[in-house]
Amino acid sequence: EPEVTQTPSHQVTQMGQEVILRCVPISNHLYFYWYRQILGQKVEFLVSFYNNEISEKSEIFDDQFSVERPDGSNFTLKIRSTKLEDSAMYFCASRAGAKNIQYFGAGTRLSVL
Amino acid sequence: RKEVEQDPGPFNVPEGATVAFNCTYSNSASQSFFWYRQDCRKEPKLLMSVYSSGNEDGRFTAQLNRASQYISLLIRDSKLSDSATYLCVVNKNFGNEKLTFGTGTRLTIIP
Repeated sequence: EPEVTQTPSHQVTQMGQEVILRCVPISNHLYFYWYRQILGQKVEFLVSFYNNEISEKSEIFDDQFSVERPDGSNFTLKIRSTKLEDSAMYFCASRAGAKNIQYFGAGTRLSVL
Repeated sequence: RKEVEQDPGPFNVPEGATVAFNCTYSNSASQSFFWYRQDCRKEPKLLMSVYSSGNEDGRFTAQLNRASQYISLLIRDSKLSDSATYLCVVNKNFGNEKLTFGTGTRLTIIP
């Protein structure tokens, strides 16, 4: 069964450093998403991406964050100048155009020290 | 009012019992509804979509009441493997991108 792949599974970084979280969506999917989940809290939407541009973003997704689809398979989330409160699980998701079902990757656990 | 509200539980239920979860949503324009399950420190996985007519998948039955803005999930003959957090998820409309999650209801099935 095709799946969304995320790397790394765990990223540890120092406060103020930049991190790039990587995702390979399901190959025939057209819509891509990032969500985050702070430990013990609900899953929160960050951003959606379609046709090489952001289609929607949340209040959380400020200038510190950016997304990119650098080639035909990868979808990345960059966090500049990380803060302690950026520590969370970051989930990538993708969906095909036909069905409104998003499939999630296993997540990257980001720990900012 | 929270966009999607769920009883956080925990629900501790003996194996074989029937358990029901409820969820309410605040945006009457919402169009798509789902139940996802999430195991500890894992990703959300789609359990089932929820339709106005109600739908059933094996031991799982989901219902939607648009007038009351209320979604339910019923699990019959519960198994140990059903232990997880159940997430009520809403999408405003088919063109709207984001999924809005509830905080989840934690279920533990007791042998």
